[in-house]
Amino acid sequence: KAGVTQTPRYLIKTRGQQVTLSCSPISGHRSVSWYQQTPGQGLQFLFEYFSETQRNKGNFPGRFSGRQFSNSRSEMNVSTLELGDSALYLCASSASGLAATDTQYFGPGTRLTVL
Amino acid sequence: SQQGEEDPQALSIQEGENATMNCSYKTSINNLQWYRQNSGRGLVHLILIRSNEREKHSGRLRVTLDTSKKSSSLLITASRAADTASYFCATVLGTGANNLFFGTGTRLTVIP
Repeated sequence: KAGVTQTPRYLIKTRGQQVTLSCSPISGHRSVSWYQQTPGQGLQFLFEYFSETQRNKGNFPGRFSGRQFSNSRSEMNVSTLELGDSALYLCASSASGLAATDTQYFGPGTRLTVL
Repeated sequence: SQQGEEDPQALSIQEGENATMNCSYKTSINNLQWYRQNSGRGLVHLILIRSNEREKHSGRLRVTLDTSKKSSSLLITASRAADTASYFCATVLGTGANNLFFGTGTRLTVIP
Protein backbone atom coordinates (compact mmCIF):
# COMPACT_ATOMS: atom_id res chain seq x y z
CA LYS A 1 0.00 0.00 0.00
CA ALA A 2 1.36 3.41 -0.91
CA GLY A 3 1.90 5.77 2.01
CA VAL A 4 0.62 9.28 2.54
CA THR A 5 1.95 11.67 -0.07
CA GLN A 6 2.18 15.44 0.15
CA THR A 7 2.90 17.93 -2.58
CA PRO A 8 4.82 20.06 -3.00
CA ARG A 9 7.63 19.12 -0.64
CA TYR A 10 9.05 22.62 -0.50
CA LEU A 11 7.53 26.04 -1.09
CA ILE A 12 8.85 29.56 -0.86
CA LYS A 13 6.32 32.37 -0.80
CA THR A 14 6.30 36.03 0.13
CA ARG A 15 4.14 37.76 2.71
CA GLY A 16 0.61 38.43 1.55
CA GLN A 17 0.51 35.59 -0.95
CA GLN A 18 -1.64 32.52 -0.60
CA VAL A 19 -0.65 28.88 -0.82
CA THR A 20 -2.35 25.53 -1.38
CA LEU A 21 -0.90 22.29 -0.10
CA SER A 22 -2.09 18.85 -1.14
CA CYS A 23 -2.30 15.53 0.68
CA SER A 24 -3.20 12.12 -0.68
CA PRO A 25 -4.08 9.65 2.08
CA ILE A 26 -3.50 5.94 2.17
CA SER A 27 -6.01 4.14 -0.01
CA GLY A 28 -9.16 3.39 1.96
CA HIS A 29 -8.52 6.00 4.65
CA ARG A 30 -11.31 8.52 5.01
CA SER A 31 -9.83 10.79 7.63
CA VAL A 32 -7.17 13.39 6.90
CA SER A 33 -5.73 15.62 9.61
CA TRP A 34 -3.38 18.55 9.16
CA TYR A 35 -0.71 19.71 11.60
CA GLN A 36 1.66 22.65 11.71
CA GLN A 37 5.12 22.04 13.15
CA THR A 38 7.39 24.90 14.21
CA PRO A 39 10.42 24.97 16.51
CA GLY A 40 8.65 27.28 18.93
CA GLN A 41 5.15 25.79 19.11
CA GLY A 42 5.86 22.17 18.23
CA LEU A 43 3.16 20.12 16.53
CA GLN A 44 -0.23 21.78 16.52
CA PHE A 45 -3.48 20.39 15.16
CA LEU A 46 -5.04 22.46 12.38
CA PHE A 47 -8.14 20.51 11.31
CA GLU A 48 -9.49 17.13 10.35
CA TYR A 49 -11.65 16.14 7.43
CA PHE A 50 -13.74 13.00 7.20
CA SER A 51 -15.88 12.12 4.22
CA GLU A 52 -15.53 15.63 2.75
CA THR A 53 -16.64 17.34 5.99
CA GLN A 54 -14.53 19.25 8.45
CA ARG A 55 -15.07 17.33 11.64
CA ASN A 56 -12.58 18.93 14.00
CA LYS A 57 -10.77 22.24 14.04
CA GLY A 58 -7.81 23.53 15.98
CA ASN A 59 -7.15 27.02 17.24
CA PHE A 60 -5.92 28.72 14.08
CA PRO A 61 -7.16 31.89 12.36
CA GLY A 62 -9.60 31.78 9.47
CA ARG A 63 -6.71 32.31 7.02
CA PHE A 64 -6.15 28.58 7.36
CA SER A 65 -8.76 26.54 5.56
CA GLY A 66 -9.07 23.17 3.96
CA ARG A 67 -11.25 20.83 2.03
CA GLN A 68 -11.53 17.19 1.19
CA PHE A 69 -12.56 15.65 -2.08
CA SER A 70 -14.68 12.57 -2.72
CA ASN A 71 -11.52 10.47 -3.23
CA SER A 72 -10.38 11.54 0.28
CA ARG A 73 -7.56 13.71 -1.06
CA SER A 74 -7.30 16.89 0.93
CA GLU A 75 -5.99 20.39 0.37
CA MET A 76 -5.21 23.10 2.83
CA ASN A 77 -5.02 26.74 1.95
CA VAL A 78 -3.35 29.59 3.75
CA SER A 79 -4.27 33.07 2.60
CA THR A 80 -2.47 36.34 3.26
CA LEU A 81 0.71 34.61 4.36
CA GLU A 82 2.64 35.94 7.35
CA LEU A 83 6.25 35.31 8.31
CA GLY A 84 5.05 33.23 11.24
CA ASP A 85 3.37 30.77 8.87
CA SER A 86 6.79 29.39 7.96
CA ALA A 87 6.61 25.79 9.14
CA LEU A 88 6.52 22.15 8.23
CA TYR A 89 2.94 21.22 7.39
CA LEU A 90 2.14 17.59 7.97
CA CYS A 91 -0.91 15.65 7.02
CA ALA A 92 -1.92 12.35 8.53
CA SER A 93 -4.47 9.83 7.41
CA SER A 94 -6.33 7.15 9.29
CA ALA A 95 -9.25 4.89 8.62
CA SER A 96 -11.70 6.58 10.97
CA GLY A 97 -9.87 9.52 12.53
CA LEU A 98 -10.51 8.28 16.03
CA ALA A 99 -7.37 9.15 17.97
CA ALA A 100 -8.34 6.74 20.70
CA THR A 101 -8.11 3.69 18.48
CA ASP A 102 -6.69 4.57 15.07
CA THR A 103 -3.04 4.87 14.11
CA GLN A 104 -2.23 8.10 12.31
CA TYR A 105 -0.01 7.67 9.26
CA PHE A 106 1.93 10.81 8.45
CA GLY A 107 3.16 12.12 5.14
CA PRO A 108 6.66 13.56 4.65
CA GLY A 109 5.42 17.12 5.03
CA THR A 110 5.56 20.33 3.04
CA ARG A 111 8.20 22.81 4.16
CA LEU A 112 6.76 26.31 3.69
CA THR A 113 9.05 29.32 3.91
CA VAL A 114 7.51 32.77 3.92
CA LEU A 115 9.86 35.64 3.05
CA SER B 1 -1.11 23.31 27.94
CA GLN B 2 -2.30 19.80 27.17
CA GLN B 3 0.99 18.86 25.57
CA GLY B 4 3.32 16.36 27.11
CA GLU B 5 6.85 17.33 27.91
CA GLU B 6 9.75 15.11 27.05
CA ASP B 7 12.92 14.83 29.05
CA PRO B 8 15.71 15.16 28.18
CA GLN B 9 15.39 17.59 25.28
CA ALA B 10 18.49 16.05 23.70
CA LEU B 11 20.36 12.81 24.27
CA SER B 12 23.61 11.60 22.75
CA ILE B 13 24.77 8.00 23.19
CA GLN B 14 27.14 5.48 21.64
CA GLU B 15 25.87 2.77 19.34
CA GLY B 16 24.92 -0.31 21.32
CA GLU B 17 23.90 1.62 24.43
CA ASN B 18 20.33 1.94 25.65
CA ALA B 19 18.40 5.20 25.34
CA THR B 20 15.65 6.25 27.72
CA MET B 21 13.27 9.12 27.12
CA ASN B 22 10.60 10.32 29.49
CA CYS B 23 7.27 12.02 28.93
CA SER B 24 5.17 13.80 31.51
CA TYR B 25 1.64 15.05 30.99
CA LYS B 26 -0.99 16.91 32.96
CA THR B 27 -4.45 15.44 32.41
CA SER B 28 -6.09 12.02 32.38
CA ILE B 29 -5.52 10.21 29.12
CA ASN B 30 -7.22 7.63 26.96
CA ASN B 31 -3.92 6.35 25.62
CA LEU B 32 -0.36 7.52 24.96
CA GLN B 33 1.56 7.07 21.75
CA TRP B 34 5.20 7.42 20.76
CA TYR B 35 6.33 8.65 17.37
CA ARG B 36 9.70 9.02 15.67
CA GLN B 37 10.60 11.81 13.27
CA ASN B 38 13.72 11.81 11.15
CA SER B 39 15.07 15.26 10.47
CA GLY B 40 12.49 17.39 8.68
CA ARG B 41 10.36 14.40 7.72
CA GLY B 42 6.98 13.00 8.70
CA LEU B 43 6.26 11.15 11.90
CA VAL B 44 6.28 7.40 12.19
CA HIS B 45 4.02 5.75 14.75
CA LEU B 46 6.03 3.47 17.04
CA ILE B 47 3.77 2.19 19.77
CA LEU B 48 0.48 2.85 21.56
CA ILE B 49 -0.10 2.09 25.23
CA ARG B 50 -3.58 2.29 26.72
CA SER B 51 -4.31 3.91 30.06
CA ASN B 52 -4.98 0.53 31.67
CA GLU B 53 -1.66 -0.92 30.52
CA ARG B 54 1.61 -0.52 32.39
CA GLU B 55 4.17 -1.84 29.94
CA LYS B 56 4.38 -2.69 26.28
CA HIS B 57 7.13 -4.06 24.05
CA SER B 58 7.76 -3.86 20.33
CA GLY B 59 11.07 -5.20 19.07
CA ARG B 60 13.82 -3.13 20.71
CA LEU B 61 11.28 -0.69 22.15
CA ARG B 62 9.87 -0.85 25.66
CA VAL B 63 7.26 1.64 26.83
CA THR B 64 6.02 2.05 30.37
CA LEU B 65 3.09 4.10 31.61
CA ASP B 66 2.46 5.28 35.15
CA THR B 67 -0.91 7.03 35.23
CA SER B 68 -0.56 7.89 38.93
CA LYS B 69 2.55 9.93 38.12
CA LYS B 70 1.23 10.99 34.71
CA SER B 71 4.41 9.85 33.04
CA SER B 72 5.67 7.46 30.42
CA SER B 73 9.07 6.30 29.31
CA LEU B 74 10.43 4.95 26.05
CA LEU B 75 13.45 2.66 26.18
CA ILE B 76 15.36 1.80 23.03
CA THR B 77 17.75 -1.08 23.65
CA ALA B 78 20.97 -1.77 21.74
CA SER B 79 20.70 1.50 19.84
CA ARG B 80 21.83 1.87 16.25
CA ALA B 81 22.94 4.89 14.24
CA ALA B 82 19.66 4.59 12.31
CA ASP B 83 17.77 5.33 15.55
CA THR B 84 19.02 8.93 15.36
CA ALA B 85 15.82 10.98 15.23
CA SER B 86 13.44 13.03 17.33
CA TYR B 87 11.01 11.11 19.49
CA PHE B 88 7.63 12.50 20.50
CA CYS B 89 5.05 11.30 22.94
CA ALA B 90 1.46 12.09 22.11
CA THR B 91 -1.35 11.97 24.63
CA VAL B 92 -4.86 11.10 23.56
CA LEU B 93 -7.49 12.73 25.71
CA GLY B 94 -10.63 11.71 23.85
CA THR B 95 -11.80 9.99 20.73
CA GLY B 96 -11.61 12.63 17.99
CA ALA B 97 -8.60 13.45 15.86
CA ASN B 98 -8.32 16.79 17.63
CA ASN B 99 -7.55 14.98 20.87
CA LEU B 100 -4.02 13.95 19.94
CA PHE B 101 -1.53 16.27 21.64
CA PHE B 102 2.16 16.03 20.90
CA GLY B 103 4.96 16.68 23.33
CA THR B 104 8.03 18.79 22.75
CA GLY B 105 10.24 15.90 21.66
CA THR B 106 13.61 14.40 22.54
CA ARG B 107 16.38 14.65 19.98
CA LEU B 108 18.35 11.39 20.08
CA THR B 109 21.77 11.11 18.45
CA VAL B 110 23.39 7.69 18.26
CA ILE B 111 27.10 7.90 17.54
CA PRO B 112 28.50 5.03 15.46
